Amino acid sequence: NAGVMQNPRHLVRRRGQEARLRCSPMKGHSHVYWYRQLPEEGLKFMVYLQKENIIDESGMPKERFSAEFPKEGPSILRIQQVVRGDSAAYFCASSPPGQGYGYTFGSGTRLTVV
Amino acid sequence: GENVEQHPSTLSVQEGDSAVIKCTYSDSASNYFPWYKQELGKRPQLIIDIRSNVGEKKDQRIAVTLNKTAKHFSLHITETQPEDSAVYFCAAFNDYKLSFGAGTTVTVRA
Repeated sequence: NAGVMQNPRHLVRRRGQEARLRCSPMKGHSHVYWYRQLPEEGLKFMVYLQKENIIDESGMPKERFSAEFPKEGPSILRIQQVVRGDSAAYFCASSPPGQGYGYTFGSGTRLTVV
Repeated sequence: GENVEQHPSTLSVQEGDSAVIKCTYSDSASNYFPWYKQELGKRPQLIIDIRSNVGEKKDQRIAVTLNKTAKHFSLHITETQPEDSAVYFCAAFNDYKLSFGAGTTVTVRA
Protein backbone atom coordinates (compact mmCIF):
# COMPACT_ATOMS: atom_id res chain seq x y z
CA ASN A 1 0.00 0.00 0.00
CA ALA A 2 1.67 3.18 -1.21
CA GLY A 3 -0.12 5.42 1.27
CA VAL A 4 -1.43 8.87 0.42
CA MET A 5 0.51 10.20 -2.54
CA GLN A 6 0.91 13.90 -3.14
CA ASN A 7 2.69 15.62 -5.96
CA PRO A 8 4.60 17.63 -6.57
CA ARG A 9 6.56 17.71 -3.31
CA HIS A 10 7.77 21.22 -4.03
CA LEU A 11 6.19 23.79 -6.31
CA VAL A 12 7.44 27.26 -7.12
CA ARG A 13 5.10 29.70 -8.80
CA ARG A 14 5.35 33.36 -9.69
CA ARG A 15 2.68 35.72 -8.46
CA GLY A 16 -0.36 35.51 -10.71
CA GLN A 17 0.28 31.95 -11.92
CA GLU A 18 -1.84 28.93 -11.17
CA ALA A 19 -0.87 26.14 -8.80
CA ARG A 20 -2.25 22.62 -9.10
CA LEU A 21 -1.70 20.19 -6.26
CA ARG A 22 -2.56 16.52 -6.61
CA CYS A 23 -3.51 13.91 -4.06
CA SER A 24 -4.14 10.21 -4.56
CA PRO A 25 -5.75 8.67 -1.48
CA MET A 26 -4.81 5.35 0.02
CA LYS A 27 -6.29 2.31 -1.66
CA GLY A 28 -9.75 1.73 -0.29
CA HIS A 29 -10.12 5.29 1.02
CA SER A 30 -12.87 7.36 -0.50
CA HIS A 31 -12.68 10.48 1.68
CA VAL A 32 -10.12 13.18 1.00
CA TYR A 33 -9.29 16.21 3.12
CA TRP A 34 -7.01 19.13 2.35
CA TYR A 35 -5.22 21.07 5.08
CA ARG A 36 -2.95 24.10 4.87
CA GLN A 37 -0.01 24.70 7.16
CA LEU A 38 1.50 28.16 7.21
CA PRO A 39 5.10 28.44 8.44
CA GLU A 40 5.36 27.63 12.14
CA GLU A 41 1.61 27.18 12.50
CA GLY A 42 -0.82 24.32 12.90
CA LEU A 43 -2.84 22.63 10.20
CA LYS A 44 -6.01 24.39 9.09
CA PHE A 45 -8.87 22.48 7.52
CA MET A 46 -9.69 23.60 3.99
CA VAL A 47 -12.03 21.13 2.32
CA TYR A 48 -13.50 17.64 2.58
CA LEU A 49 -14.40 15.71 -0.55
CA GLN A 50 -15.79 12.38 -1.57
CA LYS A 51 -15.80 11.10 -5.13
CA GLU A 52 -17.44 13.76 -7.31
CA ASN A 53 -18.76 15.62 -4.25
CA ILE A 54 -17.58 18.51 -2.15
CA ILE A 55 -18.92 17.80 1.33
CA ASP A 56 -17.48 20.72 3.29
CA GLU A 57 -15.46 23.62 1.91
CA SER A 58 -15.88 25.91 4.87
CA GLY A 59 -12.12 26.36 5.24
CA MET A 60 -11.46 27.36 1.65
CA PRO A 61 -10.85 31.01 0.83
CA LYS A 62 -13.83 32.29 -1.13
CA GLU A 63 -11.80 33.32 -4.14
CA ARG A 64 -9.06 31.74 -6.21
CA PHE A 65 -9.20 28.34 -4.46
CA SER A 66 -11.09 25.30 -5.73
CA ALA A 67 -10.94 21.57 -5.18
CA GLU A 68 -12.25 18.51 -6.92
CA PHE A 69 -12.17 14.75 -6.55
CA PRO A 70 -13.29 13.26 -9.85
CA LYS A 71 -14.62 9.78 -10.38
CA GLU A 72 -11.30 8.80 -11.91
CA GLY A 73 -7.95 10.20 -10.93
CA PRO A 74 -6.53 12.15 -8.03
CA SER A 75 -8.03 14.95 -6.03
CA ILE A 76 -6.87 18.37 -7.23
CA LEU A 77 -6.47 21.53 -5.21
CA ARG A 78 -6.23 24.50 -7.55
CA ILE A 79 -5.06 27.95 -6.60
CA GLN A 80 -5.50 30.59 -9.26
CA GLN A 81 -3.54 33.84 -9.46
CA VAL A 82 -1.31 32.90 -6.55
CA VAL A 83 -0.06 35.54 -4.12
CA ARG A 84 2.84 35.44 -1.66
CA GLY A 85 0.46 34.68 1.19
CA ASP A 86 -0.42 31.37 -0.45
CA SER A 87 3.08 30.09 0.30
CA ALA A 88 2.55 27.17 2.68
CA ALA A 89 2.61 23.42 2.98
CA TYR A 90 -0.57 21.80 1.72
CA PHE A 91 -1.33 18.39 3.16
CA CYS A 92 -3.85 15.94 1.91
CA ALA A 93 -5.30 13.19 4.09
CA SER A 94 -7.61 10.31 3.32
CA SER A 95 -9.79 8.02 5.38
CA PRO A 96 -11.87 4.91 4.79
CA PRO A 97 -15.55 5.26 3.98
CA GLY A 98 -17.82 5.60 6.95
CA GLN A 99 -15.29 6.87 9.45
CA GLY A 100 -12.67 9.47 10.02
CA TYR A 101 -10.54 7.60 12.50
CA GLY A 102 -8.23 6.26 9.84
CA TYR A 103 -6.83 9.65 8.79
CA THR A 104 -3.54 9.21 6.95
CA PHE A 105 -1.57 12.21 5.73
CA GLY A 106 0.43 12.54 2.56
CA SER A 107 3.91 14.04 2.51
CA GLY A 108 2.55 17.42 1.51
CA THR A 109 3.25 19.91 -1.25
CA ARG A 110 5.32 22.90 -0.31
CA LEU A 111 4.22 25.84 -2.39
CA THR A 112 6.49 28.84 -2.69
CA VAL A 113 5.23 31.94 -4.45
CA VAL A 114 7.95 34.25 -5.67
CA GLY B 1 -16.97 25.01 14.95
CA GLU B 2 -14.44 23.23 17.10
CA ASN B 3 -11.64 25.28 18.69
CA VAL B 4 -8.58 23.49 20.02
CA GLU B 5 -6.06 25.31 22.18
CA GLN B 6 -2.64 23.85 22.92
CA HIS B 7 -0.04 24.77 25.54
CA PRO B 8 2.81 25.38 25.80
CA SER B 9 3.93 26.53 22.36
CA THR B 10 7.54 25.58 23.13
CA LEU B 11 8.96 23.11 25.61
CA SER B 12 12.59 22.40 26.41
CA VAL B 13 13.41 19.40 28.58
CA GLN B 14 16.54 17.63 29.72
CA GLU B 15 17.04 14.19 28.24
CA GLY B 16 15.45 11.63 30.53
CA ASP B 17 12.90 14.06 31.96
CA SER B 18 9.18 14.05 31.18
CA ALA B 19 7.30 16.34 28.82
CA VAL B 20 3.64 17.24 29.16
CA ILE B 21 1.51 19.02 26.57
CA LYS B 22 -2.04 20.10 27.29
CA CYS B 23 -4.97 20.78 25.01
CA THR B 24 -8.53 21.98 25.47
CA TYR B 25 -11.42 21.69 23.05
CA SER B 26 -14.72 23.49 22.82
CA ASP B 27 -17.21 21.12 21.17
CA SER B 28 -18.57 18.44 23.49
CA ALA B 29 -19.53 16.38 20.40
CA SER B 30 -15.85 15.73 19.60
CA ASN B 31 -15.21 12.07 20.26
CA TYR B 32 -11.70 11.21 19.10
CA PHE B 33 -8.43 12.87 20.05
CA PRO B 34 -5.26 11.97 18.15
CA TRP B 35 -1.76 13.31 18.68
CA TYR B 36 0.63 13.88 15.82
CA LYS B 37 4.38 14.30 15.70
CA GLN B 38 5.84 16.34 12.88
CA GLU B 39 9.54 16.51 12.13
CA LEU B 40 10.93 19.34 10.06
CA GLY B 41 9.77 19.15 6.48
CA LYS B 42 7.80 15.96 6.98
CA ARG B 43 4.20 14.89 7.28
CA PRO B 44 2.33 14.70 10.59
CA GLN B 45 2.57 11.18 11.96
CA LEU B 46 0.00 9.74 14.33
CA ILE B 47 1.70 8.69 17.56
CA ILE B 48 -1.21 7.95 19.86
CA ASP B 49 -4.93 8.53 20.04
CA ILE B 50 -7.78 8.24 22.50
CA ARG B 51 -11.52 7.92 22.10
CA SER B 52 -14.07 9.66 24.24
CA ASN B 53 -15.11 6.50 26.10
CA VAL B 54 -11.60 6.04 27.49
CA GLY B 55 -9.86 8.14 30.13
CA GLU B 56 -6.28 7.10 29.61
CA LYS B 57 -4.14 5.22 27.12
CA LYS B 58 -0.48 4.30 27.22
CA ASP B 59 1.98 3.10 24.61
CA GLN B 60 5.48 2.55 25.94
CA ARG B 61 6.86 6.02 26.85
CA ILE B 62 3.82 7.90 25.59
CA ALA B 63 0.51 8.30 27.39
CA VAL B 64 -2.59 10.37 26.78
CA THR B 65 -5.28 11.32 29.27
CA LEU B 66 -8.75 12.69 28.55
CA ASN B 67 -11.12 14.57 30.82
CA LYS B 68 -14.41 14.86 28.95
CA THR B 69 -16.10 16.91 31.64
CA ALA B 70 -13.43 19.57 31.56
CA LYS B 71 -12.87 19.13 27.81
CA HIS B 72 -9.14 18.75 28.04
CA PHE B 73 -6.60 16.12 27.13
CA SER B 74 -2.88 15.79 27.63
CA LEU B 75 0.12 14.06 26.16
CA HIS B 76 2.82 12.72 28.46
CA ILE B 77 6.22 11.62 27.23
CA THR B 78 8.44 9.96 29.81
CA GLU B 79 12.19 9.35 29.68
CA THR B 80 12.57 11.77 26.80
CA GLN B 81 15.23 11.10 24.18
CA PRO B 82 16.80 13.38 21.55
CA GLU B 83 14.67 11.75 18.84
CA ASP B 84 11.56 13.01 20.63
CA SER B 85 12.49 16.53 19.49
CA ALA B 86 9.78 17.61 17.06
CA VAL B 87 6.56 19.59 16.83
CA TYR B 88 3.58 17.88 18.44
CA PHE B 89 -0.02 18.61 17.51
CA CYS B 90 -3.16 17.65 19.34
CA ALA B 91 -6.43 17.36 17.43
CA ALA B 92 -10.10 16.85 18.09
CA PHE B 93 -12.33 14.90 15.71
CA ASN B 94 -15.97 15.74 15.22
CA ASP B 95 -18.14 14.08 12.59
CA TYR B 96 -15.52 14.03 9.85
CA LYS B 97 -13.23 16.96 10.57
CA LEU B 98 -9.98 17.08 12.52
CA SER B 99 -9.32 20.41 14.21
CA PHE B 100 -5.72 20.95 15.25
CA GLY B 101 -4.02 22.83 18.01
CA ALA B 102 -1.28 25.28 17.07
CA GLY B 103 1.50 22.88 18.00
CA THR B 104 4.21 22.51 20.63
CA THR B 105 7.86 22.55 19.66
CA VAL B 106 9.63 20.10 21.93
CA THR B 107 13.40 20.25 22.28
CA VAL B 108 15.17 17.53 24.22
CA ARG B 109 18.56 18.71 25.51
CA ALA B 110 21.28 16.09 25.67
